[in-house]
Amino acid sequence: GENVGLHLPTLSVQEGDNSIINCAYSNSASDYFIWYKQESGKGPQFIIDIRSNMDKRQGQRVTVLLNKTVKHLSLQIAATQPGDSAVYFCAEKDAGGTSYGKLTFGQGTILTVHP
Amino acid sequence: DGGITQSPKYLFRKEGQNVTLSCEQNLNHDAMYWYRQDPGQGLRLIYYSQIVNDFQKGDIAEGYSVSREKKESFPLTVTSAQKNPTAFYLCASSSSGGNTIYFGEGSWLTVV
Repeated sequence: GENVGLHLPTLSVQEGDNSIINCAYSNSASDYFIWYKQESGKGPQFIIDIRSNMDKRQGQRVTVLLNKTVKHLSLQIAATQPGDSAVYFCAEKDAGGTSYGKLTFGQGTILTVHP
Repeated sequence: DGGITQSPKYLFRKEGQNVTLSCEQNLNHDAMYWYRQDPGQGLRLIYYSQIVNDFQKGDIAEGYSVSREKKESFPLTVTSAQKNPTAFYLCASSSSGGNTIYFGEGSWLTVV
C-alpha cells in the first residue's frame, strides 16, 4: 500500500550546524505534507506544512522542501540547538481522501544535537 | 488555555479489563482522532470522528471502541479483546476543512 517513510532513522549533529531530515513518500495523490517534532514522552508538535502546489516553504529556522518529481520531502533546520533534539515525523494527506485531516505518518527520524 | 487534554497520563491495566482514556478539546474542532504509538514507531490511526455522533474505524480499530456524544469529547476504550494494548495513545483534533492535526500530550497504557 501507499506509505510515507524516512531515509535515515537517526541523525547526529553538532550544535550550530544545519540539519536536514529526509522523507520519501509513495502516494502521488498526496497534496499536503506536515512535519511534526516529538519530544520524549510528549505528543507531536506541528512544525511546518506545505501544499503540493509549492516546492518550498520557510518558517522560523526551518525550511521544508518538496520535490514531487521524485516524491521527496525534506526538513531543514538552521543553526541546530540542543533543544531541537527530538523525533521528527513527516505526514501526508491523500487529496482523494474523504476524511479531512486524516494523515499517514512516517516512522520518524531521531535527531540528536551535541553541545 | 486552548488545547487538547488527555487523562490519565499513566494507566495500568490488568489483563481482561477494559479501560477508558479521556480526551477533551476546547479548540472548537469538528474532527477528533486517536492514534497509537509503539516504542520507536510511528503513529497508527485507531478511530476518527468528523462530527458528533459519527466515527469511523482507522487502520487498527480491532479491540478498541469510541464514542462522540459531545463535540469536545472523544473517549477511547481499550477492551480486553486488544491483544497488545501496552502503548502510548495520542488524541488529536482538527478544524472543519483543516488539514493540520493538533495533538494532546498522550497517555501511557501498560498491561500488568
